[in-house]
Amino acid sequence: EVQLVESGGGLVQPGASLKLSCVASGFTFSDYWMSWVRQTPGKTMEWIGDIKYDGSYTNYAPSLKNRFTISRDNAKSTLYLQMSNVRSEDTATYYCSGYNWFAYWGQGTLVTVSS
Amino acid sequence: DIQMTQSPASLSASLGETISIECRASEDIYSNLAWYQQKSGKSPQLLIYAANRLQDGVPSRFSGSGSGTQYSLKISGMQPEDEGDYFCLQGSKFPLTFGSGTKLEIK
Repeated sequence: EVQLVESGGGLVQPGASLKLSCVASGFTFSDYWMSWVRQTPGKTMEWIGDIKYDGSYTNYAPSLKNRFTISRDNAKSTLYLQMSNVRSEDTATYYCSGYNWFAYWGQGTLVTVSS
Repeated sequence: DIQMTQSPASLSASLGETISIECRASEDIYSNLAWYQQKSGKSPQLLIYAANRLQDGVPSRFSGSGSGTQYSLKISGMQPEDEGDYFCLQGSKFPLTFGSGTKLEIK
């Protein structure tokens, strides 16, 4: 059974940094591009970016590129999202997703940015 | 960025009714479009990919069509378990972009 399990969310202050993790199981993680997607409280979905199966290439949404960094550790079947200088508008549920056409999704981890 | 205009924003349907949801892209996305269902409190689930390919395990009452800039998701015979939010996603060009969503309820 495929599982993606995100962690690392919580309440953070504006300007802080946060690192999210997503542990994958049930498929060959190192064979697939992986993405991060977020969903605001108002349910707007936003693609954050993705990373090539070997970690050698990334794509980002231009509006987030300067503050968010995606990485992966294939030995640990883990995807990461490093968030820096967070803002209130980063408040959202963060999902990792992968496989063809985002067939697999985690359960999401909620990040709340507030002082 | 490619803008995805999804309509309607909400929809109420009777059991057994056939409904359609539309997504219009701001430029040709060459059938690089997927549809997702999200039930309350759950993660999105892939229904349709490449505009008209049914994901494994998805009931055949779901179908997708379209080309160029216009795409639609059809549910042929609304069932209670079809309540939820539906999103389209274009995968033609970075950054990938989603439609604004359609909330589907039972009438």
